[in-house]
Amino acid sequence: DTGVSQDPRHKITKRGQNVTFRCDPISEHNRLYWYRQTLGQGPEFLTYFQNEAQLEKSRLLSDRFSAERPKGSFSTLEIQRTEQGDSAMYLCASERGAGNTIYFGEGSWLTVV
Amino acid sequence: AQSVTQLGSHVSVSEGALVLLRCNYSSSVPPYLFWYVQYPNQGLQLLLKYTSAATLVKGINGFEAEFKKSETSFHLTKPSAHMSDAAEYFCAVSLRGGSQGNLIFGKGTKLSVKP
Repeated sequence: DTGVSQDPRHKITKRGQNVTFRCDPISEHNRLYWYRQTLGQGPEFLTYFQNEAQLEKSRLLSDRFSAERPKGSFSTLEIQRTEQGDSAMYLCASERGAGNTIYFGEGSWLTVV
Repeated sequence: AQSVTQLGSHVSVSEGALVLLRCNYSSSVPPYLFWYVQYPNQGLQLLLKYTSAATLVKGINGFEAEFKKSETSFHLTKPSAHMSDAAEYFCAVSLRGGSQGNLIFGKGTKLSVKP
């Protein structure tokens, strides 16, 4: 257990439904990252927050995806109108300032049927 | 653009044998380099990272990696494999000056350890 918590761990949803994942980073970690990992692939960067500011967004983050970190603590990743191609594990990671070790959560598995 | 290539999607070794997992990178500027391990249904754990100091980097669980600029490589080694080393290993790169958390990962190498 790295201290980064993700919820839910598993989610099965029907195509077209909206889903939301939550990440609680390690306390006092001001940087928070979201990644997506599909079967047989390495994780792919989606977006990154420093405190409550979203500083980087990947082109992978289509307009159906939105991420927030309203108070600079926990973060949510919402996927609207899910598609089968969204099936993946969504990983959250946190970091205590630049240049420090990045800690990953155990991921949230999404299956779109 | 940066990229990472991991040679061999599956590597199998006997317990006690040398572990060698290969990683080559492409980057227009000197990068930061990382190796992560992922056990089934779990997140990633950092094994080691190269930022700019010694080219031979020692990590956890007896792993080490050597940064070779001339070969653009960052291969991961362990002298003697243990059954508990069976997992998937990812090499990753990030840009200097950028967020170290904006990582580009390779596709991973699954390590099997035979008794």
